[in-house]
Parts: sequence; C-alpha cells; structure tokens
Amino acid sequence: KQEVTQIPAALSVPEGENLVLNCSFTDSAIYNLQWFRQDPGKGLTSLLLIQSSQREQTSGRLNASLDKSSGRSTLYIAASQPGDSATYLCAVRPRIGSARQLTFGSGTQLTVLP
Amino acid sequence: ETGVTQSPTHLIKTRGQQVTLRCSSQSGHNTVSWYQQALGQGPQFIFQYYREEENGRGNFPPRFSGLQFPNYSSELNVNALELDDSALYLCASSLYGRQVNEQFFGPGTRLTVL
Repeated sequence: KQEVTQIPAALSVPEGENLVLNCSFTDSAIYNLQWFRQDPGKGLTSLLLIQSSQREQTSGRLNASLDKSSGRSTLYIAASQPGDSATYLCAVRPRIGSARQLTFGSGTQLTVLP
Repeated sequence: ETGVTQSPTHLIKTRGQQVTLRCSSQSGHNTVSWYQQALGQGPQFIFQYYREEENGRGNFPPRFSGLQFPNYSSELNVNALELDDSALYLCASSLYGRQVNEQFFGPGTRLTVL
C-alpha cells in the first residue's frame, strides 16, 4: 500500500527566503506526482505535475524534482512571499489500477512572515 | 472553459441523517473522483466514476455511494451520517485515457455532522 509522507508538517520563514518542501513515497511504481496548494478551507490548486519519466518541472518561482528510485520529491520555492502562505500537498498516482487514484501526504503548512 | 464546481459550499447535518453532495466536472472531462479530507489530513480517495459506473473505490463503507450522469456531473450520497463524516469533500475531474490524466479539483463542500 502506497504511503506518502511530507516533512516538515509546518514551516515558518521570513519573506524573501528560499525554501524546500519534502515528500517521500514508499512504492516507486508511480505514473506521476503532483504538487498542490490549499488555502484554508478551500479546494486544491494544482501547482506542478511531474511524469515518472521526468526529473523536474518548473513554473515561475516553483521547481519540483522527482527521484523515483529513492521515492522522493522536493518542491523548491524561490524568494518566498506572504502570499505563498498555504498548505502544500504532494500526491502520487500509481502506474496500474483502473481508477489510478491519487494518494496524498498530510501536507506542509507554510507561513511566510512579512 | 468552466472549472469544477461543487454544491453546497457548507452543510450541517445531525447524526443518522442522509446527505447528497453535487459536483459538475470541468468542460471536456468524463471522469469524476471524490475525496474526503479530514481536518489536518490529506484527502482520502472515496471512489471514481467513469461512463456512469463506479471505476474504483477506496476504503469507505457502502453507506458512501455515488452517481454519475450523462453530462458527467456526479453526486456523492452518504447515509446514516456519523460524527467522523465531518470533513471537506472534494471532487476532481479528469479526462480518462489521456496520458497525463491530471485531475482538477473543485472548491469542496464542508460537511459538519452534529
């Protein structure tokens, strides 16, 4: 059974700092990995999707990497801003199965202090 | 292109009652997945609907049931509500069979069971 772990559970940084969020998964037989942002009480906004054959994806100040063999992904946020404050979730999709549903970690709650 | 919508936004029920939550998929998508997110946790997969049939189910009891309609919209029904059913319910739509298979999430329905 796939398990996804995110460390740390919470992180507080001053504005302007670069930071890294970590995600690990136990089963490397994944189809892709997705990073989401969730504001309090709201739905999920997809940030980046990395296919299993890819090593990284970039969007603006965000860069996500994937090391499938070691079961790890990182989300790098450059020059953090107070507007980046949210919970960040990673999720993996399995390579097999009819639904191929996402398995999520519990998230990292990020606070960027002005 | 319209995004995923869900109704209602919030709902309060008492233990033992029944509830129906609704989801309209993103334009062009034919698959809807439902997730339950308890406070402080990542979303947990409930089930997926494709071509109006259940296409996979997570570890949820039969009192959680669903429907998908010809226009690809979907309902989640929960019978005999329990206190632990209090959560944010998220639906996600995707295009089944597409290689990327990215899921797009709605804003969620917050269910409180008293």
